[in-house]
Amino acid sequence: GQQLNQSPQSMFIQEGEDVSMNCTSSSIFNTWLWYKQDPGEGPVLLIALYKAGELTSNGRLTAQFGITRKDSFLNISASIPSDVGIYFCAGQLTSGSRLTFGEGTQLTVNP
Amino acid sequence: GAVVSQHPSWVICKSGTSVKIECRSLDFQATTMFWYRQFPKQSLMLMATSNEGSKATYEQGVEKDKFLINHASLTLSTLTVTSAHPEDSSFYICSASGTSGRSTDTQYFGPGTRLTVL
Repeated sequence: GQQLNQSPQSMFIQEGEDVSMNCTSSSIFNTWLWYKQDPGEGPVLLIALYKAGELTSNGRLTAQFGITRKDSFLNISASIPSDVGIYFCAGQLTSGSRLTFGEGTQLTVNP
Repeated sequence: GAVVSQHPSWVICKSGTSVKIECRSLDFQATTMFWYRQFPKQSLMLMATSNEGSKATYEQGVEKDKFLINHASLTLSTLTVTSAHPEDSSFYICSASGTSGRSTDTQYFGPGTRLTVL
């Protein structure tokens, strides 16, 4: 099925550094979501964005819904070892409808 | 709030047997549940969408007779992998959406079920 273009595929950073990842799509979405998945677990919702241009924070995480509705980015500030995992973006066209997932960004944080 | 559970968390079975996986929304009513499978180092692939009381809608390429989905109540959906074969070994994850009190129609995921078919 259709997937979003998520980049980078992987990142290796030092503890304390900031991280940025983004997703782009050829078609618009009306909701953008960011999930984190730990090994052997299901994805956990980090941030949900419902309005074009919206900038939302959740602790050290900040995400923005692009004004064109075709992209979104996620920033993690002052990374810590427990930030390790796979981050997925997901776009949703209408409320309650299926999600279209990005390929994921594998984040490794070196202490 | 918005907790989704899955059972079992892992299962090992012999080729040819059937396996049932349960997905429950614990603190909200899930009008829609989704079933995904995920292979190692890959993204989630949607298998089917089910609405309570209705037949599931399967994605292209997913055999509905092999992956039986039942969504009989607003808190429970089941996925049965019939006549499982080694190529069905995967990580199966459900998600549920409905009114959770915090937000409406956001998808919350279960912890996943690791299926290994010998």
